[in-house]
Amino acid sequence: DTGVSQDPRHKITKRGQNVTFRCDPISEHNRLYWYRQTLGQGPEFLTYFQNEAQLEKSRLLSDRFSAERPKGSFSTLEIQRTEQGDSAMYLCASSLGGLETQYFGPGTRLLVL
Amino acid sequence: GEDVEQSLFLSVREGDSSVINCTYTDSSSTYLYWYKQEPGAGLQLLTYIFSNMDMKQDQRLTVLLNKKDKHLSLRIADTQTGDSAIYFCAEKVMGTDKLIFGTGTRLQVFP
Repeated sequence: DTGVSQDPRHKITKRGQNVTFRCDPISEHNRLYWYRQTLGQGPEFLTYFQNEAQLEKSRLLSDRFSAERPKGSFSTLEIQRTEQGDSAMYLCASSLGGLETQYFGPGTRLLVL
Repeated sequence: GEDVEQSLFLSVREGDSSVINCTYTDSSSTYLYWYKQEPGAGLQLLTYIFSNMDMKQDQRLTVLLNKKDKHLSLRIADTQTGDSAIYFCAEKVMGTDKLIFGTGTRLQVFP
């Protein structure tokens, strides 16, 4: 399978803990995107990278959130001091370029107790 | 501003056509997309249309774009039970790479 992969698929954590998610894009895709989807809503943009550079961040991305793409391939999204409001599906997508279609991974579902 | 709206539910009989509607507010949209999401899964790209087109057909799917009214629709011909899912429209606005999604339309297909 050469699609976008995400790990883990599910994560349950206690409030206050840190969590880290990983996304592996389709190979040779230089753009990588993170979105968050809460129950009953459409995905909301968080941030995106072109290669290693983080080009845009949403106001939704508070200072507890940090995303990296150190070698321009996989990316990690870390949430520090998780809150119950962080419970959501975190979706990753990749594209070949800015005008190209974004292909989504299966998502990581986070539940903060 | 950036706002994409969809009706929440649609119920159709198997074999009938489904039409899912979407309205958006940003006139500088470059591309408009339709994605499908099955329970607990990620988003599957169905089709997309460039903003200077008014129609695109892809097998059972027909996309209509009325740029003047900022209205997008997805018609699914011969709807099957496997089409039951949530359908999201999304726009890409000029000057940014992010997608703006609607709230999704839940399509239920009954026999």
